[in-house]
This record gives sequence, C-alpha cells and structure tokens, in this order.
Amino acid sequence: NAGVTQTPKFQVLKTGQSMTLQCAQDMNHNSMYWYRQDPGMGLRLIYYSASEGTTDKGEVPNGYNVSRLNKREFSLRLESAAPSQTSVYFCASSPRTAGYNEQFFGPGTRLTVL
Amino acid sequence: AQSVSQHNHHVILSEAASLELGCNYSYGGTVNLFWYVQYPGQHLQLLLKYFSGDPLVKGIKGFEAEFIKSKFSFNLRKPSVQWSDTAEYFCAVNADTGTASKLTFGTGTRLQVTL
Repeated sequence: NAGVTQTPKFQVLKTGQSMTLQCAQDMNHNSMYWYRQDPGMGLRLIYYSASEGTTDKGEVPNGYNVSRLNKREFSLRLESAAPSQTSVYFCASSPRTAGYNEQFFGPGTRLTVL
Repeated sequence: AQSVSQHNHHVILSEAASLELGCNYSYGGTVNLFWYVQYPGQHLQLLLKYFSGDPLVKGIKGFEAEFIKSKFSFNLRKPSVQWSDTAEYFCAVNADTGTASKLTFGTGTRLQVTL
C-alpha cells in the first residue's frame, strides 16, 4: 500500500496564479484532511471531509477550496495564490467518519508563492 | 474549543541524555492523545497514542508517554536519546465532537541531539 500520496512535491507560483494540490489514499479511509504547516505554528486544519460527499471548513479556510472527488481523492485548490499561502501542505486520512481516530499523513507539498 | 500547548519550543540534548517534552491540553471531556514525529524533510509519523486504559503508553523507538488526567498532560519521555531522534515532535488531541474526527496540534518542539 502506498498510504497517502500527494502531488506535486514542490511548486512555485506567482501571486494571482491558481493551482490544485492532489491527494489520494488507498487505505479505504472515510475521512480526509488538509493542513498547512508554518514555522512555529504547528499544523493548522484548512478543510476536512468526514465522508465522501461532505466537506467542512477548518481553522484557516480563507483562500482555499476543496473537492472530495471520491472516497480515495481529496483535492485542495488555490484560486488566486498569495504570498501568505507559502507553506508546506499536508494531506491526511483517518479510518472512521467520526469519533476517535488517528490520522495518517502524506509526504507534503512545499508551495512557494512569489 | 480544544487547544494544545507545548512549552518547549527548542530542546538541545547530548546523546544518552534523558528526554521529557511537555504537552498540556484544554478540554474537559474524553480525549484521545497523540505524539507525532517529523524527521527532517519527511512527513509526520505516529510515535504513540492514548485512547483508553493504562495511562502509560509505549510507542516506537523507545518512546513512552504518560496521560495524567488531573493535570491535562501527556508528556513524552525517552530514557536515553540518540542522534537519530533529532526531529520535530508534535502533540495532538482528538476530542470526539460527534460529527467529525479532528486533531488539534501543538506548535511543536524541535529536538536537536548532539554527539
């Protein structure tokens, strides 16, 4: 099993450009998550999907949109990138829809917005 | 809303020294607690977790953590660190909201182990 995979690994954008970060998991997990990691701030939840067909905002959703394409895939879109979105983005998945769960993380996408 | 505090931001230890990293959370109900580790340039990996039962939990690579409910703490320990333990360590809490399973992370502790 590959676990959680993310593409691309690195990306450089200019301010105002758009892009989509892709995430897929092959563990048949129900829930999926997008986080951003910034120095000294830990991981902050952007959006999550408790199950296929549902998405909800996390702590820092502004400037992002998500799509739960199917049970395996959960994409994150930046419509108009800003320098403040320079960060490392991690996708994660967990087995259950609700309740106590551990999360499994992908390798991350390092995004720089100039 | 739940929150997690990691008071040690940067810890430097010599090999073979003992380690204790603090983690406190704020949530009055039942929680699950986790420690994740992030080695340089890599993704987060689970070190250990507490769901219920024995409050002293053992994880991978000789790490352990103790859940003290009365202190809202879940400190990470290792008797003797190795150079390969150099990494960033994150404490996280999962409070069952009944609707979705979300983790709240602390800001992390960077551990540097010197030879």
